[in-house]
Amino acid sequence: EAEVAQSPRYKITEKSQAVAFWCDPISGHATLYWYRQILGQGPELLVQFQDESVVDDSQLPKDRFSAERLKGVDSTLKIQPAELGDSAMYLCASSFGEEKGVHGYTFGSGTRLTVV
Amino acid sequence: GENVEQHPSTLSVQEGDSAVIKCTYSDSASNYFPWYKQELGKRPQLIIDIRSNVGEKKDQRIAVTLNKTAKHFSLHITETQPEDSAVYFCAASIGGSYIPTFGRGTSLIVHP
Repeated sequence: EAEVAQSPRYKITEKSQAVAFWCDPISGHATLYWYRQILGQGPELLVQFQDESVVDDSQLPKDRFSAERLKGVDSTLKIQPAELGDSAMYLCASSFGEEKGVHGYTFGSGTRLTVV
Repeated sequence: GENVEQHPSTLSVQEGDSAVIKCTYSDSASNYFPWYKQELGKRPQLIIDIRSNVGEKKDQRIAVTLNKTAKHFSLHITETQPEDSAVYFCAASIGGSYIPTFGRGTSLIVHP
């Protein structure tokens, strides 16, 4: 079964430091999403890519968060500087996209970020 | 934007009993309603979904119902088993897109 790859699985960083997460979607999936899941809550969408273009980043705290998908394949989410409240699971998901009529997401295993 | 409310937050049942999780949504344009299961420390996995032109969908022991007029939908699990223990998230699409807004989750515990 194809999977969405994410790394690292766990990351501990000190506040004010920079941190980056990587995601490699399922081959052929044009749409890629980054979600943040705070413990005990559902995932919240941060940014959506269609190929290399950002479709929606309205919920991304742009003063400290950035995301890119330069070649329309893998993606990087960066936080600089990290704050204590950023501690959460960062999930990447991908799908073929709405135009192909397949709507279910496949999530990666996530990166558990702890800011100390 | 879309607001999804999910109840209960915790559900404890005996093996073999049925479990029902209920969700409401606010955006009348929502047209896609997936349900995800997340086991401890693992990724959310899609278990079933329903579109707005369908009132009910069933897959073995799992069924979902949708009432568009009342803007609520439910997940029904029959003959629960210990391996059904997990956090279940409902979601409703944002407007006419298929991007889901998630509920806060229901922790289902099935006691053997």
